[in-house]
Amino acid sequence: QVQLVQSGAEVKKVGASVKVSCKASGYSFTGYYMHWVRQAPGQGLEWMGWIDPNSGGTYYAQKFQDRVTMTRDTSISTAYMELSRLRFDDTAVYYCMRDNGATGGFDSWGQGTLVTVSS
Amino acid sequence: SYVLTQPPSVSVAPGQTARITCEENNIGSKSVHWYQQRPGQAPVLVVNDSTDRPSGIPERFSGSKSGNTATLSISRVEAGDEADYYCQVWESSSDYVFGSGTKVTVL
Repeated sequence: QVQLVQSGAEVKKVGASVKVSCKASGYSFTGYYMHWVRQAPGQGLEWMGWIDPNSGGTYYAQKFQDRVTMTRDTSISTAYMELSRLRFDDTAVYYCMRDNGATGGFDSWGQGTLVTVSS
Repeated sequence: SYVLTQPPSVSVAPGQTARITCEENNIGSKSVHWYQQRPGQAPVLVVNDSTDRPSGIPERFSGSKSGNTATLSISRVEAGDEADYYCQVWESSSDYVFGSGTKVTVL
């Protein structure tokens, strides 16, 4: 079955960077776009962008364009999301999700990675 | 920017039907997806492309659209349905957009 397994929780200082991984299994990794969203404590879902694991092409939400980088390693079926110049309000759970490829829905989600930004 | 409007909360008695709405002027032309998020868990897709139910999702979950409103209906509500529910669309000018979420409380 399709499974997305994310890396563990992180605690970072303001101004640092964080890199979260998302390992896919149970399907062809290069056949589906991978997206990232985040959810601040007690808040809703905020979409950050996507990566095409086949080509490496990316598209980022305007809000994150100057701070986020999404990459992938097809040899290990893993996608990465790096967020730089961290601020306190970047404290959130970050999720990777598989795009179902047809209608823009997200049919599989990682378990989430809590990133805490502290001073 | 594109905004999907959901009611903050819906309360329903066990066995009754919960209806969660998602409003936007142009939603009629879009594919709407619905997600269930139980406390402390990742979201799960419960309705795809406005009306389709993914494999493994109970028939009690259904989606519909009319005019400017998409609706997720949960029939014969159970205690385990208590969760936050989010609608989501792809909008060319705003990319992928989520509604603000609706907390369903089972009385």
